[in-house]
Amino acid sequence: DTGVSQNPRHKITKRGQNVTFRCDPISEHNRLYWYRQTLGQGPEFLTYFQNEAQLEKSRLLSDRFSAERPKGSFSTLEIQRTEQGDSAMYLCASSSGQGGQPQHFGDGTRLSIL
Amino acid sequence: QQQVKQSPQSLIVQKGGISIINCAYENTAFDYFPWYQQFPGKGPALLIAIRPDVSEKKEGRFTISFNKSAKQFSLHIMDSQPGDSATYFCAASIIGGGNKLTFGTGTQLKVEL
Repeated sequence: DTGVSQNPRHKITKRGQNVTFRCDPISEHNRLYWYRQTLGQGPEFLTYFQNEAQLEKSRLLSDRFSAERPKGSFSTLEIQRTEQGDSAMYLCASSSGQGGQPQHFGDGTRLSIL
Repeated sequence: QQQVKQSPQSLIVQKGGISIINCAYENTAFDYFPWYQQFPGKGPALLIAIRPDVSEKKEGRFTISFNKSAKQFSLHIMDSQPGDSATYFCAASIIGGGNKLTFGTGTQLKVEL
């Protein structure tokens, strides 16, 4: 059983640089979610896709953040001009999209801004 | 505004004991309530979930109790084991609203021998 895969697992970058994360969902799942988790807190919703369509973005997602899901398969999350406050764990989850189906999470990408 | 409040922040239980974690929500439109377990360096893993049409759901050693009128739900871990030591998150969502999860702040559980 292939779960949700996220790459890279860790990313260290200097403030002001751009970073991109990738998420490969469970193959038959048509919904894909991005969350952000800071130390000692629960994950916070950022955005989600139904197939290739981005259906909602949280107000937490500033214009420096962009997410894509071309062809409804893998997704990328890009952060431009990174800031210290962007340091967090970025989590991806997928689900089948049918009513109330559980979301399965990857192990995240931990971003550290120097 | 925190929509899901979780307590306690940390919990120490003896092996074989019962661990109880509580959550309260504000948005009455929530209709899906999962619990997740997270180990350090790992993503959250779904433990058990409930919908508001039932008051209790049990899976193995894990039980969710749900009180719709009080807008509260809780996780009970029976016969707690050291391997249960992890951070537990309650969450809530609106199924018809994209099922976006709103998480509590987490409970760090330690099960001692």
